[in-house]
Amino acid sequence: DAGITQSPRHKVTETGTPVTLRCHQTENHRYMYWYRQDPGHGLRLIHYSYGVKDTDKGEVSDGYSVSRSKTEDFLLTLESATSSQTSVYFCAISDSSYEQYFGPGTRLTVT
Amino acid sequence: QKEVEQDPGPLSVPEGAIVSLNCTYSNSAFQYFMWYRQYSRKGPELLMYTYSSGNKEDGRFTAQVDKSSKYISLFIRDSQPSDSATYLCAMSALYGGSQGNLIFGKGTKLSVKP
Repeated sequence: DAGITQSPRHKVTETGTPVTLRCHQTENHRYMYWYRQDPGHGLRLIHYSYGVKDTDKGEVSDGYSVSRSKTEDFLLTLESATSSQTSVYFCAISDSSYEQYFGPGTRLTVT
Repeated sequence: QKEVEQDPGPLSVPEGAIVSLNCTYSNSAFQYFMWYRQYSRKGPELLMYTYSSGNKEDGRFTAQVDKSSKYISLFIRDSQPSDSATYLCAMSALYGGSQGNLIFGKGTKLSVKP
């Protein structure tokens, strides 16, 4: 998986609790992305980063925030988890932004 | 109209068949075109990418882009059961920056029967 790890790999949490997902890379790539994948919707971009402390919103950013304090780590936080945020979350990295390499995913269930 | 349209299938073919997977798009600014393969419960993996129009071949896989028709294809020759996966097309307008972000199709699920 191109030197990308995601943690945790599985999580079950309750509505209203904050959740943080971590993406770690060992490739020193400039760009990092968070996607969610849902049946019928495909992959949708949540947030992305084009450098340390440089982040921007994607298509479905409401209810999510991100931080990147080091090149290798990109954190996704659900400030107050809702059932609509039950999904599979993928992190991706890239040097070019179009040639993206994906992590193994985090399966999140919000009850 | 969605920016990228892809038939979700499922598509079932016998081993050895030629498979054709397709996407259409509406944004004429797209210049980079990718195909990803995703096995069940795994992350997508980049299969091939092409810039602008034309064909690109890699082993049993051929990617084709027709910008005049806003249509891209992935052909798999001599398909194998190990090719059974969901295939995602993706495209972007520019190299880098927010407009370089990928737009994905919803994926076509392919099953190759022995």
